[in-house]
Amino acid sequence: SQTIHQWPATLVQPVGSPLSLECTVEGTSNPNLYWYRQAAGRGLQLLFYSVGIGQISSEVPQNLSASRPQDRQFILSSKKLLLSDSGFYLCAWSPQRDTQYFGPGTRLTVL
Amino acid sequence: EDQVTQSPEALRLQEGESSSLNCSYTVSGLRGLFWYRQDPGKGPEFLFTLYSAGEEKEKERLKATLTKKESFLHITAPKPEDSATYLCAVQTHTGFQKLVFGTGTRLLVSP
Repeated sequence: SQTIHQWPATLVQPVGSPLSLECTVEGTSNPNLYWYRQAAGRGLQLLFYSVGIGQISSEVPQNLSASRPQDRQFILSSKKLLLSDSGFYLCAWSPQRDTQYFGPGTRLTVL
Repeated sequence: EDQVTQSPEALRLQEGESSSLNCSYTVSGLRGLFWYRQDPGKGPEFLFTLYSAGEEKEKERLKATLTKKESFLHITAPKPEDSATYLCAVQTHTGFQKLVFGTGTRLLVSP
């Protein structure tokens, strides 16, 4: 069966510091991968998606970037965090053009 | 612009008191409608996918239905463990298969 991991589970970072969140999927190959952000009282917002290694598409202009160095690894990064980057970050995977399955999430607090 | 609206925002039920959650949508062309359950501090858990008007799916005490403009999640004789936020999302035929989420319905079932 497929499993999706995210780490860290929680993170508290000062404004201006860098960020790296990691997501890995087990039990499948060539999945579509996604990064979402969930802010309090708002729906999930798609940030990035990837259909293959090195292929990244951005949905929302922002202070973040994503990379996919391996087939089942997806990384969300920032060079300098802003207060507005705080939120709950969710990674998801899907077979080609099918249901998306979410990871456990990372709670990021920027102070 | 694709939009998803969920109602009510919050719902409090007594154990055994059946009810329905609503998800209304405006999309250019619906490919699928998805229901997820999200517990506090965790990632969304997939429940159902509906593809065409008239389709119904069931899982334990939950039943999801779909019309051309909305979807309902019926909860029959709920138990306290059904307490969670229920999220609705739509996927369209245009562009990449991103999900557009509603803001969810917070369900609390009291014993």
